[in-house]
Amino acid sequence: DAGVIQSPRHEVTEMGQEVTLRCKPISGHNSLFWYRQTMMRGLELLIYFNNNVPIDDSGMPEDRFSAKMPNASFSTLKIQPSEPRDSAVYFCASSLSQGIYTEAFFGQGTRLTVV
Amino acid sequence: QKEVEQNSGPLSVPEGAIASLNCTYSDRVSQSFFWYRQYSGKSPELIMSIYSNGDKEDGRFTAQLNKASQYVSLLIRDSQPSDSATYLCAVKRGYSTLTFGKGTMLLVSP
Repeated sequence: DAGVIQSPRHEVTEMGQEVTLRCKPISGHNSLFWYRQTMMRGLELLIYFNNNVPIDDSGMPEDRFSAKMPNASFSTLKIQPSEPRDSAVYFCASSLSQGIYTEAFFGQGTRLTVV
Repeated sequence: QKEVEQNSGPLSVPEGAIASLNCTYSDRVSQSFFWYRQYSGKSPELIMSIYSNGDKEDGRFTAQLNKASQYVSLLIRDSQPSDSATYLCAVKRGYSTLTFGKGTMLLVSP
């Protein structure tokens, strides 16, 4: 199994530009999560999908952030317009289900730098 | 109040020693607990999960859970330099999502 695949691995963009991060979950997994990691705040959940439906987006910082999951094998996280404070590592993770005992598997992350 | 708390470290231990990593959580009805290891510049990877009070052993790793004290720990026996990483504690309540602590950095010196 290829694991969770994220692209790009690194993104450097100028303030005000649109940024799109992409994620392919593990085949067969029906829960998908977007996390953001910074030194100050650690690993924060932004949004999670179950069966392609957004279930909890309370972690999305503001309207500049949006996420979609058009099908079971693809999700995007978009930031428009981007700001320097959005600089962080963004992880996508997936799990087989949202059962009590199921763990999440992480992709390699996208390191975003907004200058 | 932080939901999952860990000492940020670094925790420094010599090679061959036992490393003890600790985590406390605030939600009394949390049901499942996970330890992830994250090497610098890499993604978190699951190393242990525990759901019942007591100890769970897997190779050099032992997870310990005490729900009454809202405390979970990870022991690493015979620590190796390759164990040097940040260890993230994660907690789940029922069918909710994982809540992570900020992690403890472990440094194992040769």
